[in-house]
This record gives sequence, structure tokens and C-alpha cells, in this order.
Amino acid sequence: DTAVSQTPKYLVTQMGNDKSIKCEQNLGHDTMYWYKQDSKKFLKIMFSYNNKELIINETVPNRFSPKSPDKAHLNLHINSLELGDSAVYFCASSQFGYGYTFGSGTRLTVV
Amino acid sequence: QQQVKQSPQSLIVQKGGIPIINCAYENTAFDYFPWYQQFPGKGPALLIAIRPDVSEKKEGRFTISFNKSAKQFSLHIMDSQPGDSATYFCAASKGGGNMLTFGGGTRLMVKP
Repeated sequence: DTAVSQTPKYLVTQMGNDKSIKCEQNLGHDTMYWYKQDSKKFLKIMFSYNNKELIINETVPNRFSPKSPDKAHLNLHINSLELGDSAVYFCASSQFGYGYTFGSGTRLTVV
Repeated sequence: QQQVKQSPQSLIVQKGGIPIINCAYENTAFDYFPWYQQFPGKGPALLIAIRPDVSEKKEGRFTISFNKSAKQFSLHIMDSQPGDSATYFCAASKGGGNMLTFGGGTRLMVKP
């Protein structure tokens, strides 16, 4: 049973489109995150969310928005996709900020 | 502003060697320092983590050394194997529930 699962694994789309990436965790963790890994492998936090608080990295464009229907899910919506959004997006979860577990990633390619 | 600086960017060692990866941080409020291992096409996986109240922690062949005064910490891989070839990331965070700040990663290759 996969602890943190995200879908789709690959996503190819045209500029200007709107897309979503889904994430689910079955670890019972209290906090979920989205990270972006660029072509140079650098990992950067985008959002942190638990059932009480959403923390947004101020450098993330407001075209990106996380949506959490419940404690086990944190989806990422991206509007008006741009070429620079091409990257690998990782969902992760943790319990009180420790023992982070990452999903296997979604490779987004904007053409 | 890169709050966690990692070096080297890449490293090649022979099987059985001891690769050492170094990280330096700026924010003295950081109190949790994990290391992650990432294979191609996979997400980062937690290897080992340390808190600033200890200077060293070992788990199997992996050891973290921590120097609070110098604001540096390092990962040593004993008796390295070709299967250890991966990208390694150091990270830091402050307090529970907070986000990890990652170093830039080190691509390790262990030659047979």
C-alpha cells in the first residue's frame, strides 16, 4: 500500500491550460505539502497545509492553489499554465513536521 | 536567499569508499536536520535525521555529524556500494509542523 500517492505520474499540456494534480496519504499524518523540483534538482516548498492552517510560500504565483477536501488529500490546481511551470511536483506528508514521506512525483511538461 | 548550502554538487567514489557530503545553514532557529536519498524517477526518501542536541548519529552505514557552533552538518556513508548511487539532499526546519528547506543536492556515483 503506497503511503503517499499522487496522480498522474506524467502530465503534458499546452500553455494556458488549467490542470490538477491529486495527492492522497494513508499515514494519518496531520500536515501535507507540495514541493517543486526544477531541472537542476532543486527542491522548493510551495505550500504547507493542515486542517487548521495553510502556509503559502510567497514566491509561488497565485495561479497555483492547493485544495484539501479532507485531512488525507491535498490537490494542486494550476491555472493558465506557463512554460516555466514545467517541473516535477512532489506531494509529501508529515506528523508534526517530522518523518516527511514523499510521493513519487508528477512530471509536468508545458508545451 | 539559500538558507542551506550543500557541497559538493557531485561526487564519485569507488566501492568501499566513504563519501562525505557537507551542508551549512544560516538560520540558528533550525532544530531538525534530515537527510534524504532520491533515486531517478522516485521521490526523496528519509535516510537519517539529527537534532542539535547531539553531535553524531549513526544508522547502519549512514552517519550524520553535527557542529552547532559552525552551523554545519555532514553525511558519511561507510563502505559505500553501487546501490548507494543516488542524489542526496540535506534539509533543515525549525520546530514541528514547519516546512523543510533543502540544500541543492549531491549526485553520488559509487563505481564497482
